[in-house]
Amino acid sequence: GDSVTQTEGPVTLSEGTSLTVNCSYETKQYPTLFWYVQYPGEGPQLLFKVPKANEKGSSRGFEATYNKEATSFHLQKASVQESDSAVYYCALSDPGTGSNRLTFGKGTKFSLIP
Amino acid sequence: DAGVTQTPRHEVAEKGQTIILKCEPVSGHNDLFWYRQTKIQGLELLSYFRSKSLMEDGGAFKDRFKAEMLNSSFSTLKIQPTEPKDSAVYLCASSLYSAETLYFGSGTRLTVL
Repeated sequence: GDSVTQTEGPVTLSEGTSLTVNCSYETKQYPTLFWYVQYPGEGPQLLFKVPKANEKGSSRGFEATYNKEATSFHLQKASVQESDSAVYYCALSDPGTGSNRLTFGKGTKFSLIP
Repeated sequence: DAGVTQTPRHEVAEKGQTIILKCEPVSGHNDLFWYRQTKIQGLELLSYFRSKSLMEDGGAFKDRFKAEMLNSSFSTLKIQPTEPKDSAVYLCASSLYSAETLYFGSGTRLTVL
């Protein structure tokens, strides 16, 4: 079946430094790739999605490129701030089935060093 | 527009009890999902409905978990009987048939003693 593997957290960084959360996936199909973000006390919400290989998605200063050859979709932000503290989930869909179900990674918790 | 509404926000149950969690999807959405969220496993799919029809019932969860969708605007997840290992956050999400983006509720945190 489909699977998603991402950086194991927690990740802690100083304000202003760069963040990378790695995401690799396995699927037999040609999926759409997603990054979701979850803030405390809330459900996950879409950060952005990329349906096509070699395209880049971005939102709120975060970006990720759909690398079909490497089966990767790493999340990056150049300069993190307090408001970025959250759990980040990489996910993939399976368009071949006609279903909107998503397979999620286990999540990566990020926070600033106090 | 109202988002996905889940009730209750918190539930505490004794081992062996039956609990029912509720979800109201975004109005007009065709797909509804129930996920379980834990720190160890992350997000695991429990059930998936399309236009009220059950499309997928997570194999490992069939035993004591039963999701229903009696109408297009309301779904329930019943856990019977509850066990301490069921302690987790239960998330409901909905989406349009034609779109891939899931909209999540804030979840129900279940604690089984």
